[in-house]
Amino acid sequence: DVKVTQSSRYLVKRTGEKVFLECVQDMDHENMFWYRQDPGLGLRLIYFSYDVKMKEKGDIPEGYSVSREKKERFSLILESASTNQTSMYLCASSLKDRKLNEQYFGPGTRLTVT
Amino acid sequence: TQLLEQSPQFLSIQEGENLTVYCNSSSVFSSLQWYRQEPGEGPVLLVTVVTGGEVKKLKRLTFQFGDARKDSSLHITAAQPGDTGLYLCAGDAGNMLTFGGGTRLMVKP
Repeated sequence: DVKVTQSSRYLVKRTGEKVFLECVQDMDHENMFWYRQDPGLGLRLIYFSYDVKMKEKGDIPEGYSVSREKKERFSLILESASTNQTSMYLCASSLKDRKLNEQYFGPGTRLTVT
Repeated sequence: TQLLEQSPQFLSIQEGENLTVYCNSSSVFSSLQWYRQEPGEGPVLLVTVVTGGEVKKLKRLTFQFGDARKDSSLHITAAQPGDTGLYLCAGDAGNMLTFGGGTRLMVKP
């Protein structure tokens, strides 16, 4: 059974703190993605990675960075958290077959920045 | 940036009713996916449609891809409380997925 796990379901951080969100998949997928989800805005892509040590900016990369040192792990970093980064963060993975690009999601991390 | 618009944004119906959710764009997609997301969970893929005019059925759910591959619809027959959730469409333009804003469905018993 496919599985994408995220390190925390709920997280509360203070403004200015450095925040790490971890995502691990056990499906040997090449592609991994980080989205944020806000009411009425759907899912917006922050960063994605097609391979180890490789990263590409999505639609809203400002204020975020990522790291992919191992194939199964993709980390999202908020260098200095701000209140407008309060959101639901979703990690996803998919096979490199671009024809379908079907993505498998983790349960999400609800981050609150106070 | 390609946009996908979903309508309606919210839908509250009684058990047993039928409903249709729409996903529209001015852009052409190579495929379109529908996901359902339950509270506190990530989206789960329901179906992928690839060919213009394609119709796929998943029990009481019928998915259709427009002939021009710019729009899609999801029809649910005899909705049940277990259908409650957020329905998301996502278009694949070859590099990454573009998600619609979602339709939040509540089915009351």
